[in-house]
Amino acid sequence: EIVLTQSPGTLSLSPGDRATLSCRASQSIMNRYLAWYQQKPGQAPRLLIHGASNRATDIPDRFSGSGSGTDFTLTISRLEPEDFAIYYCQQYGSLPRTFGQGAKVEIK
Amino acid sequence: EVQLVESGGRVVRPGGSLKLSCAASGFNFDDFGMSWVRQIPGKGPEWVSGINWNSRNIQYADSVRGRFTVSRDNVKNSLFLQMNSLRVEDTALYYCAREIGGDNGWFDPWGQGTLVTVSS
Repeated sequence: EIVLTQSPGTLSLSPGDRATLSCRASQSIMNRYLAWYQQKPGQAPRLLIHGASNRATDIPDRFSGSGSGTDFTLTISRLEPEDFAIYYCQQYGSLPRTFGQGAKVEIK
Repeated sequence: EVQLVESGGRVVRPGGSLKLSCAASGFNFDDFGMSWVRQIPGKGPEWVSGINWNSRNIQYADSVRGRFTVSRDNVKNSLFLQMNSLRVEDTALYYCAREIGGDNGWFDPWGQGTLVTVSS
C-alpha cells in the first residue's frame, strides 16, 4: 500500500501568514490522484482539493494544491482564523486508498 | 443539501457484532459509490470498505476483510456495515462518505460519524 507522510507535523503561524504543507508518497501516485481535507475539532473531514490541484466546490482560492509523482503540496496563501485546523492528504490512485497522518496548523 | 447520517455505534464486547447504517439524502444515491472510513481520535482516517453503485464492486481493507461486510439498499438510500468478530483495535469513529470520481475516488461529503467502542 502507498504510505503518505505529511510534514511538518505542526505548523505554528499567525493569521495572514502563508502555510505550506507537504505530503510525500512511498511510491508514485498515478494521474495525480491526491486529495486534501481539512478537519476541525468535533467535525468530519471536509474536502478541499482533488486531483492534486482542483479546488472543491465553495473552497476559497487562498487554498491551492500542487505536485505530482511522490511529492505534493497544499498552500494556504493567507491564513484566516477559520483555517487553523488539521489537514490530511489522501491518495486514490491505488488500493487501498490511504491517508496521511495529518498536519496541524495552529495559531502562533 | 447532501446529507449523510450514520447510526448504530455503541459499546460492544470483543468478539461481538454490530451493524452500522448510513442514511443518505439530497442526491441520487444510486449514482454514487459509497465508503466507510474510520478514525481513531488524534489519528489519520483509515479507509475501511467501499461499494460501487450497483454493489458489484466491493472492496475491503486488509484489516477488516473476512470480518466486515458492506452493503447498500438503493431503494431506501442507505449504506450498511456489518461488523463481526470485533476487536479492541476496531474502536473508532466510523464515517460514511460519498465517493466522487469513479469507483475509487475521493470522498465528499462525509457524515458526522458514529462511535464504535470495543471493550470488555
